[in-house]
Amino acid sequence: ETGVTQSPTHLIKTRGQQVTLRCSSQSGHNTVSWYQQALGQGPQFIFQYYREEENGRGNFPPRFSGLQFPNYSSELNVNALELDDSALYLCASSRTGTGGTEAFFGQGTRLTVV
Amino acid sequence: AQSVTQLDSQVPVFEEAPVELRCNYSSSVSVYLFWYVQYPNQGLQLLLKYLSGSTLVKGINGFEAEFNKSQTSFHLRKPSVHISDTAEYFCAVMYSSASKIIFGSGTRLSIRP
Repeated sequence: ETGVTQSPTHLIKTRGQQVTLRCSSQSGHNTVSWYQQALGQGPQFIFQYYREEENGRGNFPPRFSGLQFPNYSSELNVNALELDDSALYLCASSRTGTGGTEAFFGQGTRLTVV
Repeated sequence: AQSVTQLDSQVPVFEEAPVELRCNYSSSVSVYLFWYVQYPNQGLQLLLKYLSGSTLVKGINGFEAEFNKSQTSFHLRKPSVHISDTAEYFCAVMYSSASKIIFGSGTRLSIRP
């Protein structure tokens, strides 16, 4: 186990609703990144948070937003859910400033939009 | 464009046979390369990584990979696979130490008894 925990593990939402996913980073890690993994595909980078600020963003619309808290935990919020948002959402924590070359992933949250 | 290509979407192999999973990345001055494994309904686990130095990298579970700069490849190998190696394998790259990780589309390794 990596020490990165995500909640909930599974979630079913209706199209148009809003969802919040949570991630607790590994002890000592100050950077959190979020990825979306659609079925049969590799993970795609959504955004990264460092010191409570967004520090890079992938090709995702503004309805995907996030937060990082002083304890380095993080939330991913998705508004106006669409069917294509159904995916496994992965959180990864790392320690920027020491190379940041190893990211530890959580088990993911499986989101189903119906 | 920054990208990673995994040439095989599926690789079937018999138990105790050797296996190679292929990966190519778009060239850059410096890269950090990774292989992750994903078991069904689980997150990603790091198998091995190349940061610098020796081009042959050894990882967990008997896997190893070789960084080939001239061919921009980072193929994953194991001399003898087991049923427990059945999983999805992802090659990934970072182009700087604080950047995002770019993943390939994955290779499903299926082991036949």
